[in-house]
Amino acid sequence: NAGVMQNPRHLVRRRGQEARLRCSPMKGHSHVYWYRQLPEEGLKFMVYLQKENIIDESGMPKERFSAEFPKEGPSILRIQQVVRGDSAAYFCASSPGAGGSQPQHFGDGTRLSIL
Amino acid sequence: AQSVTQPDIHITVSEGASLELRCNYSYGATPYLFWYVQSPGQGLQLLLKYFSGDTLVQGIKGFEAEFKRSQSSFNLRKPSVHWSDAAEYFCAVGANTGTASKLTFGTGTRLQVTL
Repeated sequence: NAGVMQNPRHLVRRRGQEARLRCSPMKGHSHVYWYRQLPEEGLKFMVYLQKENIIDESGMPKERFSAEFPKEGPSILRIQQVVRGDSAAYFCASSPGAGGSQPQHFGDGTRLSIL
Repeated sequence: AQSVTQPDIHITVSEGASLELRCNYSYGATPYLFWYVQSPGQGLQLLLKYFSGDTLVQGIKGFEAEFKRSQSSFNLRKPSVHWSDAAEYFCAVGANTGTASKLTFGTGTRLQVTL
């Protein structure tokens, strides 16, 4: 599958635990974006990364959330000490270059449920 | 700041009927505009995009959209809807400045198709 791969598809955590969401971009893409979709809402931008760099994190909550895109391996969105309000679908997208004209290709998302 | 409004939360059409989904955007310059479709439990698939040039753009699955600068609109159309088109549709705007890359999405329009 040459598309954007996200895992796991579904993740259940108890309040206070940590959640790690992974995203492997399309082959040849070095730009990764994370979006969050709350029930009955559109996608909200969280963070934009290139290899080893965070370019724009204007949509990331100030606490508990972090993201990385290492030189090797997938991009990781990490949520520490999860709370009920973190329940959402998290989508990763990738593009071959920077700029608003680059179409972003989306994965199928990770559905995070907090008990 | 850029924003997108999709005034219709839910639309129902009969199979074979024509379809128009509305999208209005707010952006200081000529934006990059996108329509995505999301089936239940899936990620977003790009239907079409507008960057510049011809204001009527053709996309996949028989969809088209028209950019109207005077109305700040980018409405999605299809002449004859098929039952498989039932899904949620999102309009998005991308920034047209430098390397700013995030997409801003509308809240979506859920399309129901009756047989």
